[in-house]
Amino acid sequence: GAGVSQSPRYKVAKRGQDVALRCDPISGHVSLFWYQQALGQGPEFLTYFQNEAQLDKSGLPSDRFFAERPEGSVSTLKIQRTQQEDSAVYLCASSRNVRGAGTEQYFGPGTRLTVT
Amino acid sequence: GQNIDQPTEMTATEGAIVQINCTYQTSGFNGLFWYQQHAGEAPTFLSYNVLDGLEEKGRFSSFLSRSKGYSYLLLKELQMKDSASYLCAGGPRFDRGSTLGRLYFGRGTQLTVWP
Repeated sequence: GAGVSQSPRYKVAKRGQDVALRCDPISGHVSLFWYQQALGQGPEFLTYFQNEAQLDKSGLPSDRFFAERPEGSVSTLKIQRTQQEDSAVYLCASSRNVRGAGTEQYFGPGTRLTVT
Repeated sequence: GQNIDQPTEMTATEGAIVQINCTYQTSGFNGLFWYQQHAGEAPTFLSYNVLDGLEEKGRFSSFLSRSKGYSYLLLKELQMKDSASYLCAGGPRFDRGSTLGRLYFGRGTQLTVWP
């Protein structure tokens, strides 16, 4: 079946612009995660949804970052007034369950954001 | 904290065996994941250990010791296509009756396989 998809794959934004990154998880997956990955680093957690509920947003670096998943499927990560330090790859992942079997997370290809 | 430590780089030759170690400093994880990430691509799931011991899956095996906060990924019969970053990740955690599904990743071990 189809995997996790993300769009756009690449985004160049001028400092101060707002951006919106989209994630289509695997159909039927309850959990959806956003991670930020800087060059040469492992992914860092941003936020987590279980269906439409945002249960953990402790990783969002500032109030310029906002995520939503209104119908429990597609999710959007919005970054307002982008700064150069926001340049990174933004990864979306989904998993079937949150505990027990099926907790492995499947990642999308990511959106590479470059802020100039 | 949830420090996940793994070597930054490793090299090996085709056909060899390599072991990538991972240590962590929390006992709160339900299990330990290993992911493979080729340059510019998404991490892909390799293994998930919940119980202590070795789990074998083809050329790849993963080991976990929860009491020691230690895991390793063993790659046998190395191939050039195994050149990638290997990410160790702990999770999920169970706090105060709720499940926190996030993964805590190490910075990855860049494996280079030479002919």
